[in-house]
Amino acid sequence: QKEVEQNSGPLSVPEGAIASLNCTYSDRVSQSFFWYRQYSGKSPELIMSIYSNGDKEDGRFTAQLNKASQYVSLLIRDSQPSDSATYLCAVKLLGAGNNRKLIWGLGTSLAVNP
Amino acid sequence: DAGVIQSPRHEVTEMGQEVTLRCKPISGHDYLFWYRQTMMRGLELLIYFNNNVPIDDSGMPEDRFSAKMPNASFSTLKIQPSEPRDSAVYFCASSSGLATSNEQFFGPGTRLTVL
Repeated sequence: QKEVEQNSGPLSVPEGAIASLNCTYSDRVSQSFFWYRQYSGKSPELIMSIYSNGDKEDGRFTAQLNKASQYVSLLIRDSQPSDSATYLCAVKLLGAGNNRKLIWGLGTSLAVNP
Repeated sequence: DAGVIQSPRHEVTEMGQEVTLRCKPISGHDYLFWYRQTMMRGLELLIYFNNNVPIDDSGMPEDRFSAKMPNASFSTLKIQPSEPRDSAVYFCASSSGLATSNEQFFGPGTRLTVL
């Protein structure tokens, strides 16, 4: 079983709607959580990170973390066609001081329709 | 800042040939990561270095794969001999241990096709 699970999609939403992307993880000692965006043919880029339970907002993006349920989500408000991309969830496990290993989900493809 | 630089951007080779992928991390970053991405398996960490020392190579598929980081500004990933199943996009990423965000900055990738 993959350690980080995401719905592959495609998730299709109309322009201006809220897009909700979900991610579950299996390891309870997971420490940090990241959402990366990857446009087709491009490399991943970080859009949000979250470390503690609750919500974290950055512009149109909100990350939500529930460690008890082992669940992290990304909400995109007022979705734009330029948000159409694959969104990758990544999890960092608790480890030694120089641990920087991320476990990645397969990604959710989002299509925002004008 | 030039960002993470990778070369070549595209590589087409025949089965059995040696392939060398190159990466220059962002200046000042002390972590360097090599990833492989395919549709079926997603983004997989192959190996990462801290201060030029390999920390975790558990993702290296087999002995055909090797990675080196001779200095802080250069790393190579070598596949010898290459096989068709090695066809994928290979990303190099770097990050700073001083940054609390743990953000990894990715290079543009090398698209490898093994015929």
